[in-house]
Amino acid sequence: DTAVSQTPKYLVTQMGNDKSIKCEQNLGHDTMYWYKQDSKKFLKIMFSYNNKELIINETVPNRFSPKSPDKAHLNLHINSLELGDSAVYFCASSQVDPYEQYFGPGTRLTVT
Amino acid sequence: GENVEQHPSTLSVQEGDSAVIKCTYSDSASNYFPWYKQELGKGPQLIIDIRSNVGEKKDQRIAVTLNKTAKHFSLHITETQPEDSAVYFCAATAYGQNFVFGPGTRLSVLP
Repeated sequence: DTAVSQTPKYLVTQMGNDKSIKCEQNLGHDTMYWYKQDSKKFLKIMFSYNNKELIINETVPNRFSPKSPDKAHLNLHINSLELGDSAVYFCASSQVDPYEQYFGPGTRLTVT
Repeated sequence: GENVEQHPSTLSVQEGDSAVIKCTYSDSASNYFPWYKQELGKGPQLIIDIRSNVGEKKDQRIAVTLNKTAKHFSLHITETQPEDSAVYFCAATAYGQNFVFGPGTRLSVLP
């Protein structure tokens, strides 16, 4: 009965490849997020979706494209992977109000 | 936009002592301030939060205080235990739209 799940947990790939990370939440939340955590542990929001609509799109390269097929899923597709994309990516979800946010276990992406 | 600072970046305390982590924010529109605990290899876990209309909130050994005028909020952990060792993040958001996180505090509780 995992609240927010992500697959895969680890992803190792070469520069130039395209990869996807999947996220699902079973909390009935309306809002979902993608965060990037770099090697210094700094957490930065990338995208926010509310009921399948894009709400926040921070200064993220357009090689990153989120897709929300329904409000329980928010997937992240990355084209032409670069070394600097190596990080841990977290999915999260919350209600509109209250704002309590729940995170998934993370996907460690390593680009070689 | 919002900017959140957090201090200290590392904190070591003896088991049983108290630990205090402080954060400041810049956007007066922010109205929700959560604290997260991140253990190694796991996602951040919400441990306590506070809204802008409240000055203090307590949950067993942890408490959060908020000073809206000064735009700062703090996490207080009393009677620390080794299992409290983790990285702690503060965050701020206006109405849950864009969560801005502090850089984190690595807390070590020494037995």
